[in-house]
Amino acid sequence: KAGVTQTPRYLIKTRGQQVTLSCSPISGHRSVSWYQQTPGQGLQFLFEYFSETQRNKGNFPGRFSGRQFSNSRSEMNVSTLELGDSALYLCASSLVGFSGEAFFGQGTRLTVV
Amino acid sequence: AQTVTQSQPEMSVQEAETVTLSCTYDTSESDYYLFWYKQPPSRQMILVIRQEAYKQQNATENRFSVNFQKAAKSFSLKISDSQLGDAAMYFCAYRRLVQGAQKLVFGQGTRLTINP
Repeated sequence: KAGVTQTPRYLIKTRGQQVTLSCSPISGHRSVSWYQQTPGQGLQFLFEYFSETQRNKGNFPGRFSGRQFSNSRSEMNVSTLELGDSALYLCASSLVGFSGEAFFGQGTRLTVV
Repeated sequence: AQTVTQSQPEMSVQEAETVTLSCTYDTSESDYYLFWYKQPPSRQMILVIRQEAYKQQNATENRFSVNFQKAAKSFSLKISDSQLGDAAMYFCAYRRLVQGAQKLVFGQGTRLTINP
């Protein structure tokens, strides 16, 4: 069974640009969550999607957005990149239900220069 | 809002010995999940062990076990017979026991080094 796949693995962007990251969940998993990991702030929840709808959102500015497609694949977009957006972005997928544990991808390392 | 605190930024242990990582959390809810995740240099978060708050029995997975003290809001991880492959960042995490609440709240992590 394939795991959670995130693409690309590494990305370098310039300040002011925008970026789109992709996440393909484990087959059958309909919930996809995104996290930002930085040395200073640690792991912070960005948002969660289920059945193409954003169900929960963390405390991030509107420059961070996402969407989910009918096949449960998800993308997150960051517009007008800032240096502080440099981070590891992790995606997690899970089954629906009380005990659905989260399975993580290997992340996308975004560097903003 | 729920918070998770890991007070040990770094820990080290000799191979084959036992180490305990600490975690405390704050919540007003009575039912929830607690997790320990491992993040090796490959960056992928791997679930080590899970505890449901309504279960009194401490969870155990092979060499990994937890000491769950609900009243004290404490959730420590014990690794027995430490192996070189256990070296990683370990994160304690909290999740509400509400259907649809997939958000994980993480602690700051503990970097575990295994000395051969």
